[in-house]
Amino acid sequence: AQSVTQLDSQVPVFEEAPVELRCNYSSSVSVYLFWYVQYPNQGLQLLLKYLSGSTLVKGINGFEAEFNKSQTSFHLRKPSVHISDTAEYFCAAGRPEAGGTSYGKLTFGQGTILTVHP
Amino acid sequence: GAVVSQHPSWVICKSGTSVKIECRSLDFQATTMFWYRQFPKQSLMLMATSNEGSKATYEQGVEKDKFLINHASLTLSTLTVTSAHPEDSSFYICSARTVFGEQFFGPGTRLTVL
Repeated sequence: AQSVTQLDSQVPVFEEAPVELRCNYSSSVSVYLFWYVQYPNQGLQLLLKYLSGSTLVKGINGFEAEFNKSQTSFHLRKPSVHISDTAEYFCAAGRPEAGGTSYGKLTFGQGTILTVHP
Repeated sequence: GAVVSQHPSWVICKSGTSVKIECRSLDFQATTMFWYRQFPKQSLMLMATSNEGSKATYEQGVEKDKFLINHASLTLSTLTVTSAHPEDSSFYICSARTVFGEQFFGPGTRLTVL
């Protein structure tokens, strides 16, 4: 079984400032890691994912995350945020399944609400 | 790109009635779909895994007789909340897995039971 912990429930930040949303995971086997963004009353949009290879993963909207196996972390970063980045962000883990990049059910963290102030 | 739709996007029903939610993969075939539930200000919790042509696998604590899942085709899975009660009010989100193993999420269905 795996678990995902997002260390901050809310992160307020001013526009154009850098931001880091923290995520730690626990798993007895290797996992794939994901970051999703959710705007109010909408579904999830994938920001980025780590499957293997380079530990620094770049995603959409200027976000990036770094996989750190020794610290079991997958923190999300953006060097300069915009008002439009205000949303809830979810970190998730999924177990790899046979056949390339397939993965099973996702375990989500509790979510971090990012609020960007002007 | 891969698109997943859900219908309806929101529904209000009376306590004791049943509600059906559809999850469709519009431009790809999905042998597996996942159903999640998200209570207000909480994270997504997996309810069940739906495999085309076979019975769904439910997570611990989820009543299979209350949340009926049917995955009759490679592009459609349905979740029926039977005898809904106010505590079933939630945001229900599905995801569909492509043959390459990647999952895409639907926009969600907001269920309110009065």
